[in-house]
Amino acid sequence: GNSVTQMEGPVTLSEEAFLTINCTYTATGYPSLFWYVQYPGEGLQLLLKATKADDKGSNKGFEATYRKETTSFHLEKGSVQVSDSAVYFCALSDYGGSQGNLIFGKGTKLSVKP
Amino acid sequence: DAEITQSPRHKITETGRQVTLACHQTWNHNNMFWYRQDLGHGLRLIHYSYGVHDTNKGEVSDGYSVSRSNTEDLPLTLESAASSQTSVYFCASRQGSTDTQYFGPGTRLTVL
Repeated sequence: GNSVTQMEGPVTLSEEAFLTINCTYTATGYPSLFWYVQYPGEGLQLLLKATKADDKGSNKGFEATYRKETTSFHLEKGSVQVSDSAVYFCALSDYGGSQGNLIFGKGTKLSVKP
Repeated sequence: DAEITQSPRHKITETGRQVTLACHQTWNHNNMFWYRQDLGHGLRLIHYSYGVHDTNKGEVSDGYSVSRSNTEDLPLTLESAASSQTSVYFCASRQGSTDTQYFGPGTRLTVL
C-alpha cells in the first residue's frame, strides 16, 4: 500500500542554519505530495505541495522537489529562523485512486535556537 | 472568512462514557475527515465523508462513528470511551475537485 517515511526527529538547529528534512514515499500511480506544518498548539497548515514529477513547491523560503526517480520530496530551507520551530509532516494524496485521502509520515519536530 | 472549527478544544471524560466531538466548516466543502494524532504515529485517518449521508471507515475506525446530515458538520462519536482513545483529534475538509485539505485547531481528549 501507499506509505510515507520521513526522517526521525527531533532536529535542533541554530538560527540561519540550513535545513533538510528527508521524505520518501511508496505509491502506485502518480500521487500529489505535500508538506504540512504544525506550530505549537495549532492544527496543521499546508506549507507547500507538488502535483507531478519535477515540480518544485515553495513557500516562506521552504522548497521541495518531486523526484519520481528517487521517490522523494525532501524539504529544504536555506536559513531557518526561530519562528520555524514546529512539527513538519510529509504526506501524499492518492487523489487519482479510489479514496483520494492523505497519508502522513510520522512528523519531524524542528527546534531552532537563537 | 471561511473557516473550520472544532469543539470542545479540551475534554476530559471517563472510561465507558459516550463522547461527541464537533466539527463545523463554512467553506461548503463536500469532503470532510477525522484524524487522530499520537506520538510516533503521525496522523491516522478515522472516518471520512465525501458528501451528505456518505460516511466511510478509515485506518483506525474501531470504536468511532460519524454521521453527515448536512454539508457543514461532521461530528465524531466515541460510543464507549477507552483510555486508548486519549489523543488529539483533528478535523479537516476539502473541496472534492482539489487535493488540499484544511485542518481545524484540534481537540485534546483525555479518557481516564
